[in-house]
Amino acid sequence: GAVVSQHPSWVICKSGTSVKIECRSLDFQATTMFWYRQFPKQSLMLMATSNEGSKATYEQGVEKDKFLINHASLTLSTLTVTSAHPEDSSFYICSAREVETQYFGPGTRLLVL
Amino acid sequence: LAKTTQPISMDSYEGQEVNITCSHNNIATNDYITWYQQFPSQGPRFIIQGYKTKVTNEVASLFIPADRKSSTLSLPRVSLSDTAVYYCLVGPFQGGKLIFGQGTELSVKP
Repeated sequence: GAVVSQHPSWVICKSGTSVKIECRSLDFQATTMFWYRQFPKQSLMLMATSNEGSKATYEQGVEKDKFLINHASLTLSTLTVTSAHPEDSSFYICSAREVETQYFGPGTRLLVL
Repeated sequence: LAKTTQPISMDSYEGQEVNITCSHNNIATNDYITWYQQFPSQGPRFIIQGYKTKVTNEVASLFIPADRKSSTLSLPRVSLSDTAVYYCLVGPFQGGKLIFGQGTELSVKP
């Protein structure tokens, strides 16, 4: 199946700093990518839909100025958590659509101190 | 978006066949049914996808009745490594977003 990678796999940062997470589709092009967040023992929560060459679409309750999404190419989408705070600590997962199936990245663990 | 309902948890033993049923009463005409497996601290892994009837691949089978209001994921001869959370998702396959439900936590015991 198609492969989606994320970088970094984990990151620790100080409160108030910004963190960028990359999501890449390695062997296919993806005009649409998705960003999810998952807290311990909970299901994945969709944050936003990332569209190549246009603005991302955010789910209700997700602050677009805090979670900046850039989908600059058909194989790369980035999520930047700006001015991170401890409550932003979570597991962030991206997915990319190939034809009719979505494939997920391995996830990025963010810990904000 | 169609909502899905699955059992919260299931227990099984090694070598048994496991069937997990998902209910999706308001599935739309252009919705596909997709199942994913997730291990702790990993992203979901695609298992199988179908639209109607039966689909089989090297790891699982997916049974979808004619009314498509439910689906059953069948895992033959499970092993300890199949212990994971299994998600059933329903959504438009062309660019549509997938909304995750609670999933089914499968525990396989020796």
